[in-house]
Amino acid sequence: DSGVTQTPKHLITATGQRVTLRCSPRSGDLSVYWYQQSLDQGLQFLIQYYNGEERAKGNILERFSAQQFPDLHSELNLSSLELGDSALYFCASSAGAIVAQETQYFGPGTRLLVL
Amino acid sequence: DAKTTQPNSMESNEEEPVHLPCNHSTISGTDYIHWYRQLPSQGPEYVIHGLTSNVNNRMASLAIAEDRKSSTLILHRATLRDAAVYYCILSPFRGGSEKLVFGKGTKLTVNP
Repeated sequence: DSGVTQTPKHLITATGQRVTLRCSPRSGDLSVYWYQQSLDQGLQFLIQYYNGEERAKGNILERFSAQQFPDLHSELNLSSLELGDSALYFCASSAGAIVAQETQYFGPGTRLLVL
Repeated sequence: DAKTTQPNSMESNEEEPVHLPCNHSTISGTDYIHWYRQLPSQGPEYVIHGLTSNVNNRMASLAIAEDRKSSTLILHRATLRDAAVYYCILSPFRGGSEKLVFGKGTKLTVNP
């Protein structure tokens, strides 16, 4: 158990809909990262927040947005969903912000299926 | 960003050592070498990381070539639980916009 929790575990929705994925980092960790893993694209970094502020951005679509709240939990919002958004979404956390020197602890993921 | 090259797959026998290679010929002086693994149906799991010197922890050892153009993850005694996809990742140390870029990794099969 990494100490990172993600809810829900599974989500089934329809195209055009909006969903929110939630992540609680390990106690004391200030950074939260979001990743998307699909069969054809592999594991892709989406975005990083550190202590409430956006720190780094990856291949995150404009239809997707995220935020980190004062209690350090994070939410990833996916809107206008398309079939291709079906994937596993992982959240990770680390103590600090410098990725090169940090260990990232990954949650169990949320499996999203868009029908 | 510097790239890594790993074999697509490797096989090992239980209780034998496993050496997982990674080539990174374009590595820069400030790139850290990270290894993560992903067991089936789970999120990635940190294994080890280093910059220049060899590193050991309870899970594995990381041997870094003197010119840093390659590295090897060593599992001293493979168990069935070590069957996973192993990712070798370079992470540059610089201010802002750092990220872990996961490639395809090496799928390790451990035979009983």
